[in-house]
Amino acid sequence: NAGVTQTPKFQVLKTGQSMTLQCAQDMNHNSMYWYRQDPGMGLRLIYYSASEGTTDKGEVPNGYNVSRLNKREFSLRLESAAPSQTSVYFCASSEGRAWNQPQHFGDGTRLSIL
Amino acid sequence: GENVEQHPSTLSVQEGDSAVIKCTYSDSASNYFPWYKQELGKGPQLIIDIRSNVGEKKDQRIAVTLNKTAKHFSLHITETQPEDSAVYFCAARAEGFKTIFGAGTRLFVKA
Repeated sequence: NAGVTQTPKFQVLKTGQSMTLQCAQDMNHNSMYWYRQDPGMGLRLIYYSASEGTTDKGEVPNGYNVSRLNKREFSLRLESAAPSQTSVYFCASSEGRAWNQPQHFGDGTRLSIL
Repeated sequence: GENVEQHPSTLSVQEGDSAVIKCTYSDSASNYFPWYKQELGKGPQLIIDIRSNVGEKKDQRIAVTLNKTAKHFSLHITETQPEDSAVYFCAARAEGFKTIFGAGTRLFVKA
């Protein structure tokens, strides 16, 4: 049981390039999330998908787009990467629509933008 | 906006001692308080959580306490071991899908 799988694990981009971060979960969870983690700032929510077919903005959505491809997969896209988007990105999922369900995290994508 | 403050940012203890990490939240509607442990190069892993209708919860060497009046909650680790060394995050969640995380505490357990 792999849980939440993120690809790639590492990526270096140049300013202005685009890329898509992939996330898949095999726990049949309804809800999925994208966070970024920066030193001294904890995790901040970028976008979430409460259920298949829906997506909503979190705290820091600017510069990002998401796609909930199906129940398993939730991707994050940077259309024109900026140095301020250098961060570690985590995908997470939770079981249902209930607010008090724990989130399960992947091991992250470490993204550097030069 | 909503905020979760976490203290201390760094904590160093001797093996066998106890460790306490404290968090304060601002949104009085928060009702769910998970704690996560993050090891180097890994994603956060849930270690314990507490809901607002409970004041304390224990799981072996780990316990969490909640004071809703003061908007405080704390993580207690007893009989610390070197493998407890990691970064710990508290979080608070009201109804909805937005979880607010603290900035993290780096715990060092010295053998």
